[in-house]
Amino acid sequence: GQSLEQPSEVTAVEGAIVQINCTYQTSGFYGLSWYQQHDGGAPTFLSYNALDGLEETGRFSSFLSRSDSYGYLLLQELQMKDSASYFCALPNQAGTALIFGKGTTLSVSS
Amino acid sequence: EAGVAQSPRYKIIEKRQSVAFWCNPISGHATLYWYQQILGQGPKLLIQFQNNGVVDDSQLPKDRFSAERLKGVDSTLKIQPAKLEDSAVYLCASSLRDSSGANVLTFGAGSRLTVL
Repeated sequence: GQSLEQPSEVTAVEGAIVQINCTYQTSGFYGLSWYQQHDGGAPTFLSYNALDGLEETGRFSSFLSRSDSYGYLLLQELQMKDSASYFCALPNQAGTALIFGKGTTLSVSS
Repeated sequence: EAGVAQSPRYKIIEKRQSVAFWCNPISGHATLYWYQQILGQGPKLLIQFQNNGVVDDSQLPKDRFSAERLKGVDSTLKIQPAKLEDSAVYLCASSLRDSSGANVLTFGAGSRLTVL
């Protein structure tokens, strides 16, 4: 089957850099996605990695190592508004829907 | 563009009662999903539609949950009878593949169900 593991909580201060790790198990790999969800809000797409390496989108970057079945989301210059839950996600076996991890709650303090 | 619309936002019912949730996806998005998100967990796929056909309903508890997508646009998710463990947020999403090949899901705000 497929599974994703990520830490349940991470804390950091404003202006800092934080890394949220995700390890996964899957029989066929079709890319790793990251979503952000504020409390009471809808999950929103952040980033996608199909190939090894770093993808940068503003303050957020995402990294993938397919040989290690591992990825991470890097958030730089943290702001209070970055306090949210972050989910890594894999396509299901058919490649048509996403399977989500349990999420990492990031708390940013001043 | 307009987002994914869901209603109602909140619903409180007694166990064994029934409830229905409605979703209108983004115009032009052929794929529609219903996910269940229990507090503190990630979204769990219940059912996926491609136009008005079911692609995957392997995780849908079919003894109590049903879903339909008439005319390939709006969708409804029904629970009958509800159990306490059905208390969750029911998220509807629609999707389009972007230029990188990512299957980007756009979620609605969700319908929060409390079963007493």
